[in-house]
Amino acid sequence: AQSVAQPEDQVNVAEGNPLTVKCTYSVSGNPYLFWYVQYPNRGLQFLLKYITGDNLVKGSYGFEAEFNKSQTSFHLKKPSALVSDSALYFCAVRAPYSSASKIIFGSGTRLSIRP
Amino acid sequence: GAGVSQSPSNKVTEKGKDVELRCDPISGHTALYWYRQSLGQGLEFLIYFQGNSAPDKSGLPSDRFSAERTGGSVSTLTIQRTQQEDSAVYLCASSLVIGGSSGANVLTFGAGSRLTVL
Repeated sequence: AQSVAQPEDQVNVAEGNPLTVKCTYSVSGNPYLFWYVQYPNRGLQFLLKYITGDNLVKGSYGFEAEFNKSQTSFHLKKPSALVSDSALYFCAVRAPYSSASKIIFGSGTRLSIRP
Repeated sequence: GAGVSQSPSNKVTEKGKDVELRCDPISGHTALYWYRQSLGQGLEFLIYFQGNSAPDKSGLPSDRFSAERTGGSVSTLTIQRTQQEDSAVYLCASSLVIGGSSGANVLTFGAGSRLTVL
């Protein structure tokens, strides 16, 4: 069975500092991995995805994530945090068997950027 | 339509009543998901529809929950005999599935239906 873990409920970072939001996964085969963001009082939005190829993927709003197969991780990163990055972030995974594979989300990490 | 539409946006009901939540996905999207989010927390998978395949119901928490998708488009999530622990935001998402290697799909989410059971 597939699963995804976000070990930190909350991450606090000062504006301008780099940020990392952690994600680890468990799935058979090569995973499809995603990050979504939920801003206050707004719907979930897609940030980026890893399917194959370069382990470092770039997404919206200056975010990037690195796929590490040996550590089964897909941590979200940004070189310089903005106050406007404060939101709830979700990692998601899908097993690449077929169209019958569902997308499972982690428990979410609340990112708080202080001015 | 341009996005995923969910209705009602807010529903307050009494314990024991049945409720129906509707999702109208993006036209042409063959994959449709229902998730539940409690108190701004994690996303709990409920059910997944993909084309004409049998739905994956493995996330439904009890037999009080059911869902259907008519004509490969609109979906309805039904909760019978609602309980207070059913209070949550129910989110619907859809995606386009292309060919056999269909895993690389980006979900578009609706705004959700907030259910409050008194």
